[in-house]
Amino acid sequence: GAVVSQHPSWVICKSGTSVKIECRSLDFQATTMFWYRQFPKQSLMLMATSNEGSKATYEQGVEKDKFLINHASLTLSTLTVTSAHPEDSSFYICSARDLVGKGNQPQHFGDGTRLSIL
Amino acid sequence: GQNIDQPTEMTATEGAIVQINCTYQTSGFNGLFWYQQHAGEAPTFLSYNVLDGLEEKGRFSSFLSRSKGYSYLLLKELQMKDSASYLCAVRDGDYKLSFGAGTTVTVRA
Repeated sequence: GAVVSQHPSWVICKSGTSVKIECRSLDFQATTMFWYRQFPKQSLMLMATSNEGSKATYEQGVEKDKFLINHASLTLSTLTVTSAHPEDSSFYICSARDLVGKGNQPQHFGDGTRLSIL
Repeated sequence: GQNIDQPTEMTATEGAIVQINCTYQTSGFNGLFWYQQHAGEAPTFLSYNVLDGLEEKGRFSSFLSRSKGYSYLLLKELQMKDSASYLCAVRDGDYKLSFGAGTTVTVRA
């Protein structure tokens, strides 16, 4: 089945550090990938839609300059949390939609990245 | 935007049946998904409905009524490993998913 790989799975770093998270579709091409954030005991909140070869579209309230998204190929999207602060600590999850798929194809999720900013 | 409501938590006994309801109000509808999420892990796909009716998949079934903006996930023959959070998600025309807050199901022996 379709697999989405997300790295790293866990990051602990000091305040002010920039952190890059990678999301790869391993056996399918994805023109569109999605980035979500989940705080403890809350649901997934869509942050942005990553489009291959073009700029990402951000949801309301998400800072574009804070969360940089690059989707350079059909199998890779990256999210960079710039100058991370403790309030950015969260579980970040990416998902990808199969380019060649029927309408009932679910989004395939990566395993998530737990980010802890000290 | 999307407004998706589901109960916060439910408790049931091993072997029993539990039904998790989800109501939604959407600006666009292109399918409803149910995901299971264990603590600290990413969601895993359970079911998909885009037309009215019941979709059965082993011990899990999902129902959709588009006119009522209503879906439910039915879990049969509950097992301890079914203890998890169950997320109702609505997809819009841009393939973006909006998630409900999730229902935590606790299965007791």
